[in-house]
Amino acid sequence: DAKTTQPTSMDCAEGRAANLPCNHSTISGNEYVYWYRQIHSQGPQYIIHGLKNNETNEMASLIITEDRKSSTLILPHATLRDTAVYYCIVRGFSSGGSNYKLTFGKGTLLTVNP
Amino acid sequence: GAGVSQTPSNKVTEKGKYVELRCDPISGHTALYWYRQSLGQGPEFLIYFQGTGAADDSGLPNDRFFAVRPEGSVSTLKIQRTERGDSAMYLCASSLRQDAEAFFGQGTRLTVV
Repeated sequence: DAKTTQPTSMDCAEGRAANLPCNHSTISGNEYVYWYRQIHSQGPQYIIHGLKNNETNEMASLIITEDRKSSTLILPHATLRDTAVYYCIVRGFSSGGSNYKLTFGKGTLLTVNP
Repeated sequence: GAGVSQTPSNKVTEKGKYVELRCDPISGHTALYWYRQSLGQGPEFLIYFQGTGAADDSGLPNDRFFAVRPEGSVSTLKIQRTERGDSAMYLCASSLRQDAEAFFGQGTRLTVV
């Protein structure tokens, strides 16, 4: 799977949008971008994933650049409970392949401040 | 509960002892994963089951670690002759299919003293 690069930490004011960047310049055509987050002492929580089009769900939006080499996770109105480590993961599915597993890096610690 | 359940939530054991960690996946999920997470690090892959069989155990650190999923549902991670370095959070995840999003349990915190 392609590697990802994320900032180590970010801060955001409560009520504002949090924009978390991720670089994945070696992503290949059949690889998806997944986002998970982990609140302290809990298991990782699935947020969203996408291939090429932008995606939105009740938690967040995912914007993927046209060349797919980077993406941004957007939390539209951050709350204190969104403070967590956010992981950007590239995951591929090829026929007969073994790349179903999620490979986590160190992620971005997002701190939402009151 | 509708989520992945892991028991126990905490386990303290003495060096050299044997431990078993249990994972109850979401009902109907065929894929099951075990991960290990040390403090300050992201989760590291251990093993993946598709149904009853271990499709990929390349992440198991050595032969003291073993996992089973005999009926394609509940899975047990077994660690023999535990060492202090095995202390970590052990996470289980399941997904409906191999290519679907995976949902994690709350983990078992293992401490070897």
